[in-house]
Amino acid sequence: QKEVEQNSGPLSVPEGAIASLNCTYSDRGSQSFFWYRQYSGKSPELIMSIYSNGDKEDGRFTAQLNKASQYVSLLIRDSQPSDSATYLCAVNMGDSGYSTLTFGKGTMLLVSP
Amino acid sequence: EPEVTQTPSHQVTQMGQEVILRCVPISNHLYFYWYRQILGQKVEFLVSFYNNEISEKSEIFDDQFSVERPDGSNFTLKIRSTKLEDSAMYFCASSAGGRTEAFFGQGTRLTVV
Repeated sequence: QKEVEQNSGPLSVPEGAIASLNCTYSDRGSQSFFWYRQYSGKSPELIMSIYSNGDKEDGRFTAQLNKASQYVSLLIRDSQPSDSATYLCAVNMGDSGYSTLTFGKGTMLLVSP
Repeated sequence: EPEVTQTPSHQVTQMGQEVILRCVPISNHLYFYWYRQILGQKVEFLVSFYNNEISEKSEIFDDQFSVERPDGSNFTLKIRSTKLEDSAMYFCASSAGGRTEAFFGQGTRLTVV
């Protein structure tokens, strides 16, 4: 069974702090990794993609990938109340060339003013 | 900014009825997907579509489901005989490449009564 695991939270941080969200996945052959943000009742919104080991930064967001540990994380710097949402880790575990995504259950982030 | 659009935003149907959910993927994308999310649960893959045929499908995508690209822009999901447990948010997504970023539409909330 191919799985993506996330702590459901909630993760509570004060405004301006760094939020750290973590994800592990079961398929060692996974190649593409994504973070989506989902507000309640809305659709997943792509935040970051990462394909190789190391860090990838985009504005206040940094994705980190460690394929040996089968671990991917998302750091949000200078957290804002508007960042309060559920963050979904999604992994392409397919052996084919298709971007079928396996999602984790998501981590709820609460940023307090 | 290009986006995936879905119609209708909300569909209520009686058990046993057929429903068609519609999607217009991003225009230069080649890979199309349907996902669903039952309330309070994780996003689940249903089917992927490439080059006018199904490329991958999950166990959820049984004989009551079908997909079609009837013209150059629309991508549809048909549920032939709806059941109560089909009630969920259905998301269409598209991507330019096989393992690249997938962008989601705003979703169709299907309620089966």
